[in-house]
Amino acid sequence: TQLLEQSPQFLSIQEGENLTVYCNSSSVFSSLQWYRQEPGEGPVLLVTVVTGGEVKKLKRLTFQFGDARKDSSLHITAAQPGDTGLYLCAGASSETSYDKVIFGPGTSLSVIP
Amino acid sequence: ETGVTQSPTHLIKTRGQQVTLRCSSQSGHNTVSWYQQALGQGPQFIFQYYREEENGRGNFPPRFSGLQFPNYSSELNVNALELDDSALYLCASSLDRQPQHFGDGTRLSIL
Repeated sequence: TQLLEQSPQFLSIQEGENLTVYCNSSSVFSSLQWYRQEPGEGPVLLVTVVTGGEVKKLKRLTFQFGDARKDSSLHITAAQPGDTGLYLCAGASSETSYDKVIFGPGTSLSVIP
Repeated sequence: ETGVTQSPTHLIKTRGQQVTLRCSSQSGHNTVSWYQQALGQGPQFIFQYYREEENGRGNFPPRFSGLQFPNYSSELNVNALELDDSALYLCASSLDRQPQHFGDGTRLSIL
């Protein structure tokens, strides 16, 4: 059974600080997705990483896929209150399908003004 | 472009009852997946429908069933509701195995 773990589970920081959240597994994934979910809403896709060692940037967010494709990290620079939400990683085991994924439990981020 | 819409947004039921949740997929999408998200957890895959056929199922009992219609909208049916079924039920649509777009979910509470 493939499982994804995320750490930390909860994170509360001041506006302007930097942070990193992690997504780890003992299994290899063909691709990994990061989502952000705000209260009362569904998850919104932020990025998909496919190649081991790949780094993608989305404004102040930097995503990295591990060389062995078993782990990933999300780094946020100069966090803002609008970054508050639940960050979910989701792994796909099929190289031809991005819509069959398993989700990690999420990291709940709170950015205090 | 119309996104994924789910109805109702909130629902309260009692143990033993049956419930039907509805999902309209994003325009142009042919695949719908359903997820259960308990409080404080990530979404858990229930099943997926592709062109009206079930295309994969997670570890959920048979009392969780679904349908996909010719317009690619979908229903999730749950029979004999249990307290542990209280959760946010998310629908996601996609086109030909591309990444999914989620609706805002139905919050189901079982009393």
